[in-house]
Amino acid sequence: QVQLVQSGAELKKPGASVKVSCKTSGYTFTSNDINWMRQAPGQGLEWLGWINPNTGDTGYSLKFRARVTITSDSSLRTAYMELTSLTSDDTAVYYCARGKDIRVRLVFDSWGQGTLVTVSS
Amino acid sequence: EIVMTQSPATVSLSPGERATLTCRASQSVDTKLAWYQQKPGQAPRLLIYGASTRATDLPARFSGSGSETDFTLTISSLQSEDLAVYFCQQYSRWPLTFGGGTRVEVK
Repeated sequence: QVQLVQSGAELKKPGASVKVSCKTSGYTFTSNDINWMRQAPGQGLEWLGWINPNTGDTGYSLKFRARVTITSDSSLRTAYMELTSLTSDDTAVYYCARGKDIRVRLVFDSWGQGTLVTVSS
Repeated sequence: EIVMTQSPATVSLSPGERATLTCRASQSVDTKLAWYQQKPGQAPRLLIYGASTRATDLPARFSGSGSETDFTLTISSLQSEDLAVYFCQQYSRWPLTFGGGTRVEVK
């Protein structure tokens, strides 16, 4: 079955960077986009950006464009999200999610388990 | 960006009752609207996309409707396992945006 397994929780200081990984299995990695969202404590979901693992094309929310980089490694079937210049406002659970299919790319049918990133001095 | 507003914030119903959750977009999203269920401590699960297309293996008690700016998720007969927060998401325009969620409590 389709699985997305994310890296473990991170504790970072303000100003640092964090890189979260999302290892996939159970499907052809290059056939579906990977998107990244986050959810601050008690809040709703916020979309950060996406990557097409086949072409390497990416797109980012304007809010995060200056600080986020999404990459992928097809040989490892893994996508990555790096966020720089962290502040306490970046404390959240970060999720990767798979785009459903080529016709419905921006709906997410499988999600990682989430990675808690805590930013604190 | 398109703002998604969900109501009510919380709904508390007894098993077997009908739950009606609404989602309003600040501008038309056509039918590019999805619903997700998030149970405590879990990642979201896709329920509905295209405003009314049910995801694979979704129980028939879940249904979606609406277009343009006003959407509804209906749970026809609430079960205890439906305890969760339900989010809507528009995918008509960048950036993708989500509603704040409706918490469904089962009495």
